[in-house]
Amino acid sequence: DQQVKQNSPSLSVQEGRISILNCDYTNSMFDYFLWYKKYPAEGPTFLISISSIKDKNEDGRFTVFLNKSAKHLSLHIVPSQPGDSAVYFCAASISGNTGKLIFGQGTTLQVKP
Amino acid sequence: DGGITQSPKYLFRKEGQNVTLSCEQNLNHDAMYWYRQDPGQGLRLIYYSQIVNDFQKGDIAEGYSVSREKKESFPLTVTSAQKNPTAFYLCASSISQGRSYEQFFGPGTRLTVL
Repeated sequence: DQQVKQNSPSLSVQEGRISILNCDYTNSMFDYFLWYKKYPAEGPTFLISISSIKDKNEDGRFTVFLNKSAKHLSLHIVPSQPGDSAVYFCAASISGNTGKLIFGQGTTLQVKP
Repeated sequence: DGGITQSPKYLFRKEGQNVTLSCEQNLNHDAMYWYRQDPGQGLRLIYYSQIVNDFQKGDIAEGYSVSREKKESFPLTVTSAQKNPTAFYLCASSISQGRSYEQFFGPGTRLTVL
């Protein structure tokens, strides 16, 4: 049972344009969401997070939107840069639980110069 | 520099041999985690530990074992019972147990069983 899903395995955008990565979840108990960025043969690095009490969180070029009714979150990267090319994972967890994160399958973003 | 170290980066073993992957952190984090990543899949939780001398099975614990004798260290043993051990293994830690703080990841170990 895949509780966190990233239905787009890959995404290609032009440098300077907006990248939108999507993530859906099924467990309504999730109340904290994170995005990680991963380069090949390296560990993921934390990018941005959002609590379920918010619907938007922004950090520089990165913005995460949360739609609780639709159980959907998205990561917007504006403007996209070639260095953003990586695999992006969304993850979800339940506060007060064990700190476990449930990861999606990942979306490979390619930003073309 | 604080961080998480995993060694070695690449590891080769013969089928039927047990192998132990190292994970050390100097971030003073309470919780530590082991994940496995396969091509086209997300990170799947193998084991996690919220405190020294205590650990719990994750979603795919069969064929693996761990220990947590020190706060800084959380080694993972891939036993011969693991049917498909070839994968990229990631160790992570987080600052607090029982909260959804972000996890910090090590560089990973790619294990290849021949």
